[in-house]
Amino acid sequence: TQLLEQSPQFLSIQEGENLTVYCNSSSVFSSLQWYRQEPGEGPVLLVTVVTGGEVKKLKRLTFQFGDARKDSSLHITAAQPGDTGLYLCAGVRPGTYKYIFGTGTRLKVLA
Amino acid sequence: GAGVSQSPSNKVTEKGKDVELRCDPISGHTALYWYRQSLGQGLEFLIYFQGNSAPDKSGLPSDRFSAERTGGSVSTLTIQRTQQEDSAVYLCASSSGTGDNQPQHFGDGTRLSIL
Repeated sequence: TQLLEQSPQFLSIQEGENLTVYCNSSSVFSSLQWYRQEPGEGPVLLVTVVTGGEVKKLKRLTFQFGDARKDSSLHITAAQPGDTGLYLCAGVRPGTYKYIFGTGTRLKVLA
Repeated sequence: GAGVSQSPSNKVTEKGKDVELRCDPISGHTALYWYRQSLGQGLEFLIYFQGNSAPDKSGLPSDRFSAERTGGSVSTLTIQRTQQEDSAVYLCASSSGTGDNQPQHFGDGTRLSIL
């Protein structure tokens, strides 16, 4: 059973466009993290959100944790080719230590 | 280096052989995780260590898989009698604890190919 579903699975856009990636679940998470992974490398943490409704910004990236802590979104403004990569969300269920990773969104930004 | 180090970076072996993958976590990190990632997919949890203990081995796919950690540092993941379906990237991550806000730091993985 995949507890975290990401959408879309693939996204190819032109430089300068905006995009949103979604991470959805029917389960509550005590925290949720977003990672970006480039070919041949391990995932790199972008942000951790903990509080329901929390919004965090990292330059052109805006992350939001749903009010019920069951879902999250990643919005990229004015995408650049350097944003290309595999974006992964990962959640921790309350009372556990295990990170459950989403299915991933592969983003390609064309110059 | 200061990051998580995994070796080898690539491993090609014949079906039926045993392989051993190594993870050297960030110094002082007590928590260590092993994941498996099939081509372009998300990460599949395999096992978690807190110190030298593995309280949860439920993610190991079969009894051909085992892992150990010694001295609260280096960990090895061993796959016996490898099968073609074991081909994947094996990623190791460490963190300074298991609290909700503890970020995981990943190595670059071992790409395992079973012929």
